[in-house]
Amino acid sequence: AQSVTQLDSQVPVFEEAPVELRCNYSSSVSVYLFWYVQYPNQGLQLLLKYLSGSTLVKGINGFEAEFNKSQTSFHLRKPSVHISDTAEYFCAVSPAAYKLSFGAGTTVTVRA
Amino acid sequence: NAGVMQNPRHLVRRRGQEARLRCSPMKGHSHVYWYRQLPEEGLKFMVYLQKENIIDESGMPKERFSAEFPKEGPSILRIQQVVRGDSAAYFCASSQGQGGTEAFFGQGTRLTVV
Repeated sequence: AQSVTQLDSQVPVFEEAPVELRCNYSSSVSVYLFWYVQYPNQGLQLLLKYLSGSTLVKGINGFEAEFNKSQTSFHLRKPSVHISDTAEYFCAVSPAAYKLSFGAGTTVTVRA
Repeated sequence: NAGVMQNPRHLVRRRGQEARLRCSPMKGHSHVYWYRQLPEEGLKFMVYLQKENIIDESGMPKERFSAEFPKEGPSILRIQQVVRGDSAAYFCASSQGQGGTEAFFGQGTRLTVV
């Protein structure tokens, strides 16, 4: 079984400031790792994913994440946020099968 | 190429009624997944289907919930005799295959039980 812990439920940040969203996971098997974004009243959109290879993964909209196997973490970062980045962000893991296990989400609120 | 289509977007049912949620996967996708998002929580896996087959329903409540993905037509998530605790957003996702391939999500159906 897998579990995902998103360490911050709410992250307020000023426009053009950097942001980091923390995600830790536990699993008894190898997993794939994902970050999704959910805008208000919308479905989930994939930001980036780690399957194998380089531990630094670049995604859409300027986001990147780093996989740290020893710390079982997959933190998401963006060096400079925009108002339009206001959304809920979900970290998810999936074993080499199909099910996604999601964290509880982190709400990012970007202020001018 | 249209994305994953879910309808209706919003559904209101009285306690005891039936709710039917529909999901049309992306063209070329034969794997469908249903997730439920309760207020203030992340998404929870419910069921994984391929055409005419339920592959994994380990996340489905034991009673009142069922899902199908017929040879023709959309996948259907059916909730019988709805209760207030069924109020949630239900998301469908589809993919071409398993094993880390990207799952594309629909916009969800928000079910409100009054």
